[in-house]
Amino acid sequence: GNSVTQMEGPVTLSEEAFLTINCTYTATGYPSLFWYVQYPGEGLQLLLKATKADDKGSNKGFEATYRKETTSFHLEKGSVQVSDSAVYFCALGAYNTDKLIFGTGTRLQVFP
Amino acid sequence: GAVVSQHPSRVICKSGTSVKIECRSLDFQATTMFWYRQFPKQSLMLMATSNEGSKATYEQGVEKDKFLINHASLTLSTLTVTSAHPEDSSFYICSARNNRGGYTFGSGTRLTVV
Repeated sequence: GNSVTQMEGPVTLSEEAFLTINCTYTATGYPSLFWYVQYPGEGLQLLLKATKADDKGSNKGFEATYRKETTSFHLEKGSVQVSDSAVYFCALGAYNTDKLIFGTGTRLQVFP
Repeated sequence: GAVVSQHPSRVICKSGTSVKIECRSLDFQATTMFWYRQFPKQSLMLMATSNEGSKATYEQGVEKDKFLINHASLTLSTLTVTSAHPEDSSFYICSARNNRGGYTFGSGTRLTVV
């Protein structure tokens, strides 16, 4: 079946530190991969996505590369800001359905 | 573009009453909408897939008589929590497949049953 495994949080960093949030997946076929961000009390916003192997999604300084060989889609940012504090969800869109399968979410806390 | 409006954002209701949550696509037609439930500090659990003009498809373990879903038009889907109890208190989020091949999420509804 399809599943997403995401590193547990919280991840606590100082401002300007380097961020990595690991995400691996299991899927049949060729899924699309997404990172969503959820700020406190809000819904989810798409951060970035990749639809095929070796694609790199990027937005607001965040990047993730679709690695088919390692079934991974790790989220990275070179220099985090306090405003990046939120919960980040890795998600998989199976190629033959409309459903999104989410990881458990990783809370990021950035301190000045 | 591709905005989904979800209302209400917060609702408090008495145990035994029913609550309706609306999800509207404002600038696109959504033939398929999804309803999720999010427990504190946990991930989103897909409850059901709502298809315009047909019955919703519920995920395993979700009571369809408890969580009534209606998708009467291409821009509106509703989730009604019937005979709500404190254990139904949660954060409910809808999403729709947008016209750009992605997913747009509503801002969520915090339901508290007292």
